[in-house]
Amino acid sequence: GENVEQHPSTLSVQEGDSAVIKCTYSDSASNYFPWYKQELGKRPQLIIDIRSNVGEKKDQRIAVTLNKTAKHFSLHITETQPEDSAVYFCAASNNAGNMLTFGGGTRLMVKP
Amino acid sequence: NAGVMQNPRHLVRRRGQEARLRCSPMKGHSHVYWYRQLPEEGLKFMVYLQKENIIDESGMPKERFSAEFPKEGPSILRIQQVVRGDSAAYFCASSPRQGDGYEQYFGPGTRLTVT
Repeated sequence: GENVEQHPSTLSVQEGDSAVIKCTYSDSASNYFPWYKQELGKRPQLIIDIRSNVGEKKDQRIAVTLNKTAKHFSLHITETQPEDSAVYFCAASNNAGNMLTFGGGTRLMVKP
Repeated sequence: NAGVMQNPRHLVRRRGQEARLRCSPMKGHSHVYWYRQLPEEGLKFMVYLQKENIIDESGMPKERFSAEFPKEGPSILRIQQVVRGDSAAYFCASSPRQGDGYEQYFGPGTRLTVT
């Protein structure tokens, strides 16, 4: 089955700096890669996703890149703000689109 | 359009009791997924259901766990004879249809504590 690895597990940045979180996946048939943000005690919220027919997608301060050959994808957050502090999860969808396989999460701390 | 609803939000059970967790998908969504999140860990897929059908239960423990999504009413995740290791947050998600690339929207979760 699919295996998703996520790094780093914790990331501390100064407000205004950029943050990058990286994930690798194992199943070459995966073709949908969402990112979720989870604040303490809250539900995971979809913040951005990318499908395998594109290499990059942006939405204001966040962007995601995908390298299908290398089987890795990354989340980029620019001009970080304290409210960006949360746990971020990457995920990959299997070829039937039935389930998401999640990475282990990255705890992002943005220091004011 | 109300989001995914789950109840109860918090559930405390003693070892050996049964836990029933409910999930109502977003309006118009007929696909439900259950995930479990242990403290300080990621989410792990458990089961995928459509109305009256279990599509994929590859993530469900073989014993004590069952799930259903009846024609009427919410999806139910049932855990019999709970043990301390079952303590976790259980999230359900829904999507409008099957297939690659359809977003899953998560409910607020049920936090199960087994004492």
